[in-house]
Amino acid sequence: DARVTQTPRHKVTEMGQEVTMRCQPILGHNTVFWYRQTMMQGLELLAYFRNRAPLDDSGMPKDRFSAEMPDATLATLKIQPSEPRDSAVYFCASGLFDNEQFFGPGTRLTVL
Amino acid sequence: GQNIDQPTEMTATEGAIVQINCTYQTSGFNGLFWYQQHAGEAPTFLSYNVLDGLEEKGRFSSFLSRSKGYSYLLLKELQMKDSASYLCAVRGAAGNKLTFGGGTRVLVKP
Repeated sequence: DARVTQTPRHKVTEMGQEVTMRCQPILGHNTVFWYRQTMMQGLELLAYFRNRAPLDDSGMPKDRFSAEMPDATLATLKIQPSEPRDSAVYFCASGLFDNEQFFGPGTRLTVL
Repeated sequence: GQNIDQPTEMTATEGAIVQINCTYQTSGFNGLFWYQQHAGEAPTFLSYNVLDGLEEKGRFSSFLSRSKGYSYLLLKELQMKDSASYLCAVRGAAGNKLTFGGGTRVLVKP
């Protein structure tokens, strides 16, 4: 049963702390995406990778956010320092070439 | 840039049909996707259109008109479990990057 996994599922932290979210894409998928979802903004693309190379991170605040793929089985999204406005659900999705994207269960982040 | 519009909310009765419209203005077009998202869960893929016309998948159908920048998702024989948000997403010309609309929350009443 292939699926995208994300850890942690929930994270509560204080303003100024570093937050790291992890994603394991579906084995064999060559594209990985990070999205952020809030009630106000909906689902926004933060970054995406193809064959582990970053293709587009224009949606990501560069001063505090960073996204990497250290290997084909792990993608990370880091926020340092975190701010209350970063509170959202962060989804990772993976896909094979231009086919549909499969979403992970998300990380619900609360920054106090 | 990309601009995608869909209604915020719709209500329908169990057993009925609901049509969710999506209009888009994009710089480049390489396909339109519909996703379903239940409250507190991840979006799940429903359908994909890249050519004009209707794609049918069981109780769900999706239509695309590229010249009009328009798509709709048709849900037939509505069931209570169809209460969810439905997200329209457009893939631009480059790569597999999707831009999502704000979603349409559908409430199915008995």
